Amino acid sequence: GQQVMQIPQYQHVQEGEDFTTYCNSSTTLSNIQWYKQRPGGHPVFLIQLVKSGEVKKQKRLTFQFGEAKKNSSLHITATQTTDVGTYFCAGGAGGSYIPTFGRGTSLIVHP
Amino acid sequence: NAGVTQTPKFQVLKTGQSMTLQCAQDMNHEYMSWYRQDPGMGLRLIHYSVGAGITDQGEVPNGYNVSRSTTEDFPLRLLSAAPSQTSVYFCASTRTGYASPLHFGNGTRLTVT
Repeated sequence: GQQVMQIPQYQHVQEGEDFTTYCNSSTTLSNIQWYKQRPGGHPVFLIQLVKSGEVKKQKRLTFQFGEAKKNSSLHITATQTTDVGTYFCAGGAGGSYIPTFGRGTSLIVHP
Repeated sequence: NAGVTQTPKFQVLKTGQSMTLQCAQDMNHEYMSWYRQDPGMGLRLIHYSVGAGITDQGEVPNGYNVSRSTTEDFPLRLLSAAPSQTSVYFCASTRTGYASPLHFGNGTRLTVT
């Protein structure tokens, strides 16, 4: 079945440093979603990418979808303590609305 | 709108006990699902439903039962709790059709002793 791998599992950064998490699928995706989960909270939808090579920005966050639609990345510029949490990618295949989640990357920001 | 509401927030069970985790949504979403979250394992799909009267198994269905009698409610039943079911449980819903964002409840933290 479809597998979505996400790396790294953890990332410690100093406040102000950049952060990137990567997501790779074993199959071609029709879309990829990104979620953020604050400590003790629930996952919250950030963004969805559907086009090959698509790049979207939300303030300091940049999301990319690979040309082959099998990989994606989330980059945060100049991290802040409010960025702390676990970031999940979730890939959808074909017409399915049931995404397959990566295991998440936990971002720890040291002030 | 309340969104997705889960109850209880915390629960402690003894091995062998049964219980039902409640999930309700007020967004008229056809699709509802249950995930469990364990450290380092991400979100694993337990069961899902695409409408009233329709349910299907996800990745880790064993030991859990679901039913969907209304569009709004999707309870998750633990038939005979085991320590391996200690986890955080999330209910999520979305519209069917093309991929739409999942809306998650606040979660239920379950401990089985």
